Amino acid sequence: QSVLTQPPSVSGAPGQRVTISCTGSTSNIGAGYDVHWYQHLPGTAPKLLIYGNRNRPSGVPDRFSGSKSGTSASLAITGLQSEDEADYYCQSYDSSLSGVVFGGGTKLTVL
Amino acid sequence: QVQLQESGPGPVKPSETLSLTCTVSGGSISGYYWSWIRQSPGKGLEWIGYIYDSKTYDGKTTGYNPSLKRRVTISIDTSKSQFSLKVRSMTAADTAVYYCARGTGRGGPNWFDPWGQGSLVTVSS
Repeated sequence: QSVLTQPPSVSGAPGQRVTISCTGSTSNIGAGYDVHWYQHLPGTAPKLLIYGNRNRPSGVPDRFSGSKSGTSASLAITGLQSEDEADYYCQSYDSSLSGVVFGGGTKLTVL
Repeated sequence: QVQLQESGPGPVKPSETLSLTCTVSGGSISGYYWSWIRQSPGKGLEWIGYIYDSKTYDGKTTGYNPSLKRRVTISIDTSKSQFSLKVRSMTAADTAVYYCARGTGRGGPNWFDPWGQGSLVTVSS
């Protein structure tokens, strides 16, 4: 059971928009700690997609966007492409656990 | 461009100690939170811990996942641009892909970028 809760899977057709939620609590996201998002294709290195809730590293398309409100955060992907099919993880810090925490991951399927 | 590469033993026997090394190339090793993260089969990512080597003072700081703290040690060799992970008393539950990553932040790692490709460690007799 992960500290940050993500839906196990989401899906969408090419060109559509999908969102992935990340629900935490008052000891992590709700305490003001930043949320970061990673894209992970099996067998490869996870890739930073969003840092500091809504910032994109250089090279990440603006189809990817992040937001945070209260004890939750969301990753939105617009204009879905087949290469977006991957696992997505949110990450933050938890003061009760005194450490970095990850969500359980969400598998995105592009139909 | 900073790149990270894990190197390790592959299979480990139960009760043995795992030793993994991450070699950093293309950038400075000082001023970042060099971290280990693992992913057990079919599960999500789990943060193991970090080591921080300061640019401004002669000291190193470590931080560990409380659930693993008793069995884990992370060290750094700045002369070789490497940092290492030791996990003692390995069990089947420690079978995972182990990733090294560079953490950026203040007072601890905030986000991780880049990551290594990962090293599969299987615990089996």
